[in-house]
Amino acid sequence: NAGVTQTPKFRVLKTGQSMTLLCAQDMNHEYMYWYRQDPGMGLRLIHYSVGEGTTAKGEVPDGYNVSRLKKQNFLLGLESAAPSQTSVYFCASSQIQYYRHGGYTFGSGTRLTVV
Amino acid sequence: SQKIEQNSEALNIQEGKTATLTCNYTNYSPAYLQWYRQDPGRGPVFLLLIRENEKEKRKERLKVTFDTTLKQSLFHITASQPADSATYLCALGRATGGGADGLTFGKGTHLIIQP
Repeated sequence: NAGVTQTPKFRVLKTGQSMTLLCAQDMNHEYMYWYRQDPGMGLRLIHYSVGEGTTAKGEVPDGYNVSRLKKQNFLLGLESAAPSQTSVYFCASSQIQYYRHGGYTFGSGTRLTVV
Repeated sequence: SQKIEQNSEALNIQEGKTATLTCNYTNYSPAYLQWYRQDPGRGPVFLLLIRENEKEKRKERLKVTFDTTLKQSLFHITASQPADSATYLCALGRATGGGADGLTFGKGTHLIIQP
């Protein structure tokens, strides 16, 4: 049982380049999330999904797009990377009404540097 | 806007003592509050959940209290050990839509347990 797997783990991009971060979960969770974590800022929600084919904006969605074509996968895209998007990106998943039982399961993160 | 505050400075505790971490929030009416542990280079790991109608929850050496009047949660680690050294994150959430719209995280408190 792998939980939540993020790829790649590290990436360096040049300004203006595009890339896609992949998140895969094997727990049959309905909800999936993308967060970014910056020093002194904590975790901030970028986008989330409540099920296959659905996505919604979080706190800091600008400059990112997402897709959830399959229940187990949640993709985060950067169309034209900017230095301000240098961050550590975390994917998480949870059951519906997870708060009755527990919390999120997080991946190990993707460290992205935009130069 | 909603705000979550955790001790920004590192908390140094001697091994064997009780570590107490604080989470305060404003402009928010959470249905539940969660605590996560994060080690360097890793994703957060869920520890404990407490709901708005609960005053206290325990799990082994961990204890969480939740005071919705003071808008505060306290997280205690008893008989602390060097292995407890990590960053601890507080997170708040609503039950609206089955909890779908994501947790709001504090910036975390770095706890150091000294032998």
